[in-house]
Amino acid sequence: GQQLNQSPQSMFIQEGEDVSMNCTSSSIFNTWLWYKQDPGEGPVLLIALYKAGELTSNGRLTAQFGITRKDSFLNISASIPSDVGIYFCAGRPISGNTGKLIFGQGTTLQVKP
Amino acid sequence: DSGVTQTPKHLITATGQRVTLRCSPRSGDLSVYWYQQSLDQGLQFLIQYYNGEERAKGNILERFSAQQFPDLHSELNLSSLELGDSALYFCASSASPGRRFGYTFGSGTRLTVV
Repeated sequence: GQQLNQSPQSMFIQEGEDVSMNCTSSSIFNTWLWYKQDPGEGPVLLIALYKAGELTSNGRLTAQFGITRKDSFLNISASIPSDVGIYFCAGRPISGNTGKLIFGQGTTLQVKP
Repeated sequence: DSGVTQTPKHLITATGQRVTLRCSPRSGDLSVYWYQQSLDQGLQFLIQYYNGEERAKGNILERFSAQQFPDLHSELNLSSLELGDSALYFCASSASPGRRFGYTFGSGTRLTVV
């Protein structure tokens, strides 16, 4: 099936540092979403992007929908300990109208106080 | 609380057995999606229902089936369970299958097959 390549797989950073992660696909998506998952919980939507080139912020988080529609990145500025978790990108293929999302493999973020 | 309710939270069962996972979508949401999350596979789409009808199918095994009932709750049935079926199973819901509607996930059911 369709795959998203998400990188890096994991990050271990110092509190206060900025973080960047990205997702690429071989096919075009019409929506990119970024989710965060805490241990034992379901993923929670952080940012949604709906058109190529769109840049959207949510507090310290900023995400962009790549102009080729095949990639997206998420930046977290001035990281804090509660940013720890697994971050997933997800894309919605342009074909069909099912709402089905394809997820990346996740980026595990650890923040050292 | 996301508004999507999944039960049970944990399930331990033996190989060869059959289990049913239940999901109640967020109030007003018509679409339900099932995902499987295992350690080495990430979140894999299984199946989607919209207002009682199957809308999309992913890599769902023939041993697995699902349905959405008139009250919009959904059940995922897993039969002839194998060790490799151990995973977190998530249900998500959205108002519509359209692209402008994001998912809301439940907290998941952790299935352990022994």
